[in-house]
Amino acid sequence: AQKVTQAQTEISVVEKEDVTLDCVYETRDTTYYLFWYKQPPSGELVFLIRRNSFDEQNEISGRYSWNFQKSTSSFNFTITASQVVDSAVYFCALTLSGSARQLTFGSGTQLTVLP
Amino acid sequence: NAGVTQTPKFQVLKTGQSMTLQCAQDMNHEYMSWYRQDPGMGLRLIHYSVGAGITDQGEVPNGYNVSRSTTEDFPLRLLSAAPSQTSVYFCASGTRRAGELFFGEGSRLTVL
Repeated sequence: AQKVTQAQTEISVVEKEDVTLDCVYETRDTTYYLFWYKQPPSGELVFLIRRNSFDEQNEISGRYSWNFQKSTSSFNFTITASQVVDSAVYFCALTLSGSARQLTFGSGTQLTVLP
Repeated sequence: NAGVTQTPKFQVLKTGQSMTLQCAQDMNHEYMSWYRQDPGMGLRLIHYSVGAGITDQGEVPNGYNVSRSTTEDFPLRLLSAAPSQTSVYFCASGTRRAGELFFGEGSRLTVL
């Protein structure tokens, strides 16, 4: 069975600080996909990124960047120069290839960015 | 541009009552699923469907029924609500390729 661990339950930073959200996953499969979703206070789930297990290249999108390391089974998410609008719950998730899109979610990290 | 639409957004039930959470998508996605979100536990898969007429159980299926008579609709039924089913429910849809899953806005259910 798969497992996703987000050990940081809550993080609080001051605006403009950089912050890294940790995600550690467990699976015996060699082909899988990792995701990050954002849940702002309004409650909807917003897709941020998908990464497949064969692509360990780091990705940057504006202030967001992701570091995927298969050696440590981690898929960490960094927000550079955080803003108040980044305040949300962030979920890391895993699905297996051919699994009909069944996502296993971590428990989420509540990020609060203070002005 | 509706995407995934869930109704109702809020519902209060008494123990033992039944109800159906509706989910509809207009993107012609093969895959649809229901998750529940509880504090400190992330989202957990209840049931899913890979196409019309095909459904299967997820991690926490007990107390819930689903059916998929059309590609567009995937209702979730609570036959006899229990306080343990108090939660926020999300419907999602996607294609068979492992790309993005599109989520509805959520339905907050309280069982007294």
